[in-house]
Amino acid sequence: AQKVTQAQTEISVVEKEDVTLDCVYETRDTTYYLFWYKQPPSGELVFLIRRNSFDEQNEISGRYSWNFQKSTSSFNFTITASQVVDSAVYFCALSEGPSGGSYIPTFGRGTSLIVHP
Amino acid sequence: SQTIHQWPATLVQPVGSPLSLECTVEGTSNPNLYWYRQAAGRGLQLLFYSVGIGQISSEVPQNLSASRPQDRQFILSSKKLLLSDSGFYLCAWSRGTQYFGPGTRLLVL
Repeated sequence: AQKVTQAQTEISVVEKEDVTLDCVYETRDTTYYLFWYKQPPSGELVFLIRRNSFDEQNEISGRYSWNFQKSTSSFNFTITASQVVDSAVYFCALSEGPSGGSYIPTFGRGTSLIVHP
Repeated sequence: SQTIHQWPATLVQPVGSPLSLECTVEGTSNPNLYWYRQAAGRGLQLLFYSVGIGQISSEVPQNLSASRPQDRQFILSSKKLLLSDSGFYLCAWSRGTQYFGPGTRLLVL
């Protein structure tokens, strides 16, 4: 069975600080997909990134970066120079299977990030 | 590009009343469709998913039902709402990655 753990329930930082959101996963499959979503106060879940299990290359997108390490079953998300607009709940998710299409992703319980001005 | 719509955005309903939430997707064909509920502002609970017209899988037994009358339309229904049905309902579509709609906030009084 697949499992996603986001141990940090809530993180509070001051603007411009760097912050890392942890995600640890469990799966027996060798082929799987990992995702991060952002849920701002408006409620809609916004897709941020998808990584497949064969691509351990780290990803950087502006102030966002992701560190995928299969050795520790982790897919951590770092926000550099955080801003108030980054305040949201962030979800990590795991989907097993060759295509990740019809398989049901397992979501972590989310980490609430509060960025103070 | 693909877009997903949900309506209504908010809904206040009395206990025992019926419910119908609609979700439609544009810009793709034969998507997998999902209904989630999020209570207390956290934790996504998968309610139903569908891999095709008329094909519905239920994840949680309760007084809710779902239907997919058209390829890109997914409907969540209830004949009689309970207080515990209050929450934030999210529809999503997928052909590999899930993309979510704006959600419906339901308050049952």
